[in-house]
Amino acid sequence: EAQVTQNPRYLITVTGKKLTVTCSQNMNHEYMSWYRQDPGLGLRQIYYSMNVEVTDKGDVPEGYKVSRKEKRNFPLILESPSPNQTSLYFCASSLYGQGALRTNSPLHFGNGTRLTVT
Amino acid sequence: TQLLEQSPQFLSIQEGENLTVYCNSSSVFSSLQWYRQEPGEGPVLLVTVVTGGEVKKLKRLTFQFGDARKDSSLHITAAQPGDTGLYLCALQRGSSASGTYKYIFGTGTRLKVLA
Repeated sequence: EAQVTQNPRYLITVTGKKLTVTCSQNMNHEYMSWYRQDPGLGLRQIYYSMNVEVTDKGDVPEGYKVSRKEKRNFPLILESPSPNQTSLYFCASSLYGQGALRTNSPLHFGNGTRLTVT
Repeated sequence: TQLLEQSPQFLSIQEGENLTVYCNSSSVFSSLQWYRQEPGEGPVLLVTVVTGGEVKKLKRLTFQFGDARKDSSLHITAAQPGDTGLYLCALQRGSSASGTYKYIFGTGTRLKVLA
């Protein structure tokens, strides 16, 4: 089954303790991205990747890191989590990468990771 | 400043009623996507509208792209409890020169249809 898989679904941690949220897609998609969803603010893009070894900052990148060593995986790293990073996080992928502006390729989302930082 | 404004923010209606939600921008955009997100899941694409004035139908859902390509609407006829969810509009924004792009989402309309 074609899907985007995020793990874990729920995570409770303490301030300053490094964590990684994994994301994997099995559709051979070039484009991958991370979003956070907060009440009243909608989905905001954290980082995105056009292809392997190519990553760019989204609208809210502060406090996050990503890497794209393989096409299928795009982990989100919080080196020193803080309470303001408590949120619902989504990973998503899309077929086309660089040069594909206006191809209107849809985003395929994972089921989310609910992170609480105390 | 939000690039995409959605209204209303919340909507609670009875089964069988009709409703319209809106997605507006001060900028012209080349295309717009509509997604629906159900509780506990990620958003799922409903439709993409590309041409100004375009109307697309998906069963009881009708999507319209404004003539000036600065707004879009989603109309649901005879709403059912299964239509409950968060409706999001989104667009691609980027640079043709660099070939990079990102997705911008609206704040969403949270719809609840009561049986």
